[in-house]
Amino acid sequence: NAGVTQTPKFRILKIGQSMTLQCAQDMNHNYMYWYRQDPGMGLKLIYYSVGAGITDKGEVPNGYNVSRSTTEDFPLRLELAAPSQTSVYFCASSPGRATGELFFGEGSRLTVL
Amino acid sequence: GQQLNQSPQSMFIQEGEDVSMNCTSSSIFNTWLWYKQDPGEGPVLLIALYKAGELTSNGRLTAQFGITRKDSFLNISASIPSDVGIYVCAGAVRGSTLGRLYFGRGTQLTVWP
Repeated sequence: NAGVTQTPKFRILKIGQSMTLQCAQDMNHNYMYWYRQDPGMGLKLIYYSVGAGITDKGEVPNGYNVSRSTTEDFPLRLELAAPSQTSVYFCASSPGRATGELFFGEGSRLTVL
Repeated sequence: GQQLNQSPQSMFIQEGEDVSMNCTSSSIFNTWLWYKQDPGEGPVLLIALYKAGELTSNGRLTAQFGITRKDSFLNISASIPSDVGIYVCAGAVRGSTLGRLYFGRGTQLTVWP
């Protein structure tokens, strides 16, 4: 069972570069989320989606964009990378009505130099 | 954003000992969840609680939803080496904006054989 798959696992970017973190889930979940986890801090919600074509901002959306063209995929786009975006990014999904029971990917560690 | 405070920040115990940790919030939650995060992995759901006063077990793990709805507790009985990891609490207000799940910083558990 693949569950939630994130790519890449590691990436180093230069300041000002752009990139897309990919997230795919094979559980037919409607709800998908992107979180970032900074050292010693709790997960912070960046963006979320309740279904294909519907996205909304979370707690820390600045500097990021998302799209949801299919149920399976929820890519996160970083434009003009900044050192403050150095973090571990987690994609998650949940079935049906959002209950907090999230299934997480393994994470993508991004360093911006 | 909401602040969830977990204590203790870290614990060092001997195999076979029982463990207790807690999570408090400045706000009332309708849902409390406990996740475990291993190094280099995403969090995995352990227990979900949906009702004040609820006590739920998952094997050697028992979690309680505090009566005030501002706290939750997790106990691990007869700890074993594979219990090592970071235990993360999360809270949500059901019926509010979807995706608004707030996470604590985690309790790092080390188990000595």
